[in-house]
Amino acid sequence: AQTVTQSQPEMSVQEAETVTLSCTYDTSESDYYLFWYKQPPSRQMILVIRQEAYKQQNATENRFSVNFQKAAKSFSLKISDSQLGDAAMYFCALDAGYALNFGKGTSLLVTP
Amino acid sequence: GAVVSQHPSWVICKSGTSVKIECRSLDFQATTMFWYRQFPKQSLMLMATSNEGSKATYEQGVEKDKFLINHASLTLSTLTVTSAHPEDSSFYICSAGTPQRGWRQPQHFGDGTRLSIL
Repeated sequence: AQTVTQSQPEMSVQEAETVTLSCTYDTSESDYYLFWYKQPPSRQMILVIRQEAYKQQNATENRFSVNFQKAAKSFSLKISDSQLGDAAMYFCALDAGYALNFGKGTSLLVTP
Repeated sequence: GAVVSQHPSWVICKSGTSVKIECRSLDFQATTMFWYRQFPKQSLMLMATSNEGSKATYEQGVEKDKFLINHASLTLSTLTVTSAHPEDSSFYICSAGTPQRGWRQPQHFGDGTRLSIL
């Protein structure tokens, strides 16, 4: 069985500050991918960043970066220089060869 | 980039009617499409996997006769909610993938369908 756990239902960050969203997962597969998706109020699913399990280097996409700790099965998302447009639900997801398995999500509030 | 089109975006209908939702891959052949359901303030839950030319695979607890899935071509999968009732009201999202592009490529999502049953 594969599970994805996001333990922070809500997070808040001030504009221009940095915030980290947590995610832990469990899988028996050795080859898998991890993703962070953003879902704004429009409910469109937007891919933020992806990480291949076989790569030790943490993925980075502009202001978004991950801290991938494979042994600990941890996959946190760091958002730097937070912007008002970053406010949304963020879902951590695991692809171990089948459909995506999503965490429960973290609602991110960005304050001016 | 790849685009998945989902229609309609919002539908309101009376209890007892059937509603069809379409999911199209616009610039690639999607041999596999996934259908998810999302309740307010909750995560996406996989309902079924749709494979072109074969029967869909449903997740445990999903009624096959209630949620009919057809994947007749490499670019189109449909989800029909039959005899819909208020408890079927939800947000339905499709996503598409293809082994030719690699199973581990990010799935491309449609914009979702908000279904409201009165």
